[in-house]
Amino acid sequence: KQEVTQIPAALSVPEGENLVLNCSFTDSAIYNLQWFRQDPGKGLTSLLLIQSSQREQTSGRLNASLDKSSGRSTLYIAASQPGDSATYLCAAHGAGSYQLTFGKGTKLSVIP
Amino acid sequence: DVKVTQSSRYLVKRTGEKVFLECVQDMDHENMFWYRQDPGLGLRLIYFSYDVKMKEKGDIPEGYSVSREKKERFSLILESASTNQTSMYLCASSEGGIYNEQFFGPGTRLTVL
Repeated sequence: KQEVTQIPAALSVPEGENLVLNCSFTDSAIYNLQWFRQDPGKGLTSLLLIQSSQREQTSGRLNASLDKSSGRSTLYIAASQPGDSATYLCAAHGAGSYQLTFGKGTKLSVIP
Repeated sequence: DVKVTQSSRYLVKRTGEKVFLECVQDMDHENMFWYRQDPGLGLRLIYFSYDVKMKEKGDIPEGYSVSREKKERFSLILESASTNQTSMYLCASSEGGIYNEQFFGPGTRLTVL
């Protein structure tokens, strides 16, 4: 059964720093991996979707990478801002399945 | 932009009540999903539907049922609400096919007393 882990559970950085959020998964037979943002008490906002055939995907200050062989994905946030403060979740989409398997998230705080 | 709406942001019900949570999407998506999110447990799939009147169980279907009579609407039903069903409920939708990007609604915070 697929397991997705996000470490650390919480991260605090000063404004302006570049940072990396980590996501690891146990079963490399994934079709794609999706990164989400969740603000307190709200739903999930899709940030990036990386197909298994891709290595990277970029949107503005966000860059997500995927290494299936090592079971890892990273979300890079450039020049962090206080508005980036939120919980970031990754979810792996297993081959042959409708289901996403979610990590428990990393809570990011960007300090002004 | 894809829009997924949920009928209530907050809901308080009593033990034993029948509860309906409604989800509507406006992008003609074939697939719809219901998740619950709990601290320390993350998001877990309850049910999903890949077409009208079609449904499949997720990881935790016990105590829940679903209904999809129209393509745009997917309902989650708690037949007899219990306190352990207090949770955040999230609906999502995606285009047809297995592997498409999922888009989420704002969530319903359900409290069962």
